[in-house]
Amino acid sequence: EAQVTQNPRYLITVTGKKLTVTCSQNMNHEYMSWYRQDPGLGLRQIYYSMNVEVTDKGDVPEGYKVSRKEKRNFPLILESPSPNQTSLYFCASSLSSGENTGELFFGEGSRLTVL
Amino acid sequence: SQQGEEDPQALSIQEGENATMNCSYKTSINNLQWYRQNSGRGLVHLILIRSNEREKHSGRLRVTLDTSKKSSSLLITASRAADTASYFCATDAPGGGADGLTFGKGTHLIIQP
Repeated sequence: EAQVTQNPRYLITVTGKKLTVTCSQNMNHEYMSWYRQDPGLGLRQIYYSMNVEVTDKGDVPEGYKVSRKEKRNFPLILESPSPNQTSLYFCASSLSSGENTGELFFGEGSRLTVL
Repeated sequence: SQQGEEDPQALSIQEGENATMNCSYKTSINNLQWYRQNSGRGLVHLILIRSNEREKHSGRLRVTLDTSKKSSSLLITASRAADTASYFCATDAPGGGADGLTFGKGTHLIIQP
């Protein structure tokens, strides 16, 4: 089954404790992206990746890091989480980006609370 | 950056009625997509309409696109309780679009049984 898998789905952590949210897709997609969703603000892009070893900042990259060492995986790293990073996070992938972005496939989301 | 803006922000109708949501955007686009999100879940792609298309259908969904007005509408006919969800439009801008889609803030649709 084609899917995007995120882990963990729920996490409560404390300020400053490094954490990683994993994302994996099994569709051989080139394009992957991380979004955060907050009430009243909609979905905002954090980072995206056009292909292996190619990553770039989205609209709200501060406080986050990503890596794309393999095509299927795109982990989101919070080196020193702060309470303002409490949010619902989504990973998404697409066959390609560029001139025409096609359908995005989303993971089920990771709800993060930073105390 | 936000481009699409859905209207209304919230909509409550009776089961069986039609639901119409609108999306306005600011710059030219390659395509516009609609997604559905059930509460707290991942977004699910509904339909994609290209800039050279004016109308598209998929089951009970009908999407229109007016590039001169920079707007799109999503019509759900014969609504069901299971259609209760948030609906987002997303635009793909030309000129590379390396950052992919830009999402609006969504319309929250409630179908009353």
